[in-house]
Amino acid sequence: DADVTQTPRNRITKTGKRIMLECSQTKGHDRMYWYRQDPGLGLRLIYYSFDVKDINKGEISDGYSVSRQAQAKFSLSLESAIPNQTALYFCATSDSRDFTDTQYFGPGTRLTVL
Amino acid sequence: AQSVTQPDIHITVSEGASLELRCNYSYGATPYLFWYVQSPGQGLQLLLKYFSGDTLVQGIKGFEAEFKRSQSSFNLRKPSVHWSDAAEYFCAVGGINTGTASKLTFGTGTRLQVTL
Repeated sequence: DADVTQTPRNRITKTGKRIMLECSQTKGHDRMYWYRQDPGLGLRLIYYSFDVKDINKGEISDGYSVSRQAQAKFSLSLESAIPNQTALYFCATSDSRDFTDTQYFGPGTRLTVL
Repeated sequence: AQSVTQPDIHITVSEGASLELRCNYSYGATPYLFWYVQSPGQGLQLLLKYFSGDTLVQGIKGFEAEFKRSQSSFNLRKPSVHWSDAAEYFCAVGGINTGTASKLTFGTGTRLQVTL
């Protein structure tokens, strides 16, 4: 969805480096999410945020941290990258006023940790 | 705990043939069900969703899905597949937006290959 953008789209880094992935949205949604996708495992939730002051861990938050700089921006950091964090990372947004809480996804960031 | 099973990892169909992708879910209350498609190099695009009412829901790109509570299924169908439908398809289940996290659980995906 063009309303949710992620930067960078591709990144190759080395073990031990600090990496930040950024997500921006123009949908006006208050909720934002970070997922990682691994082959054969589907999408797994890393962190989610219901508003600027609300940050919550997902099912696989170890090794990651997040920052919600504004309603429209949600960043994911890997403080010290390791090879098993090589994956496709997706940001998503949803609107708390939508009773189905439908999530809309960005194009993804492919991260490779050597 | 909620869960989603997509039993078919990979499906191959001929262009013009019909398609059905299977999805079974486990959820303790009334589920909200979603199908997303991920084209190569792209993000996830919402195809359709079910939350109440008519159990046959129509989506974009000519897809439809039928919710069957008795079978805990939400299978995706298309009468005639086009080569551009080749992609990975994800089923997901969520719950009522109560103001807390309505956790969305994804299946592991089904990769669709279309032969000409």
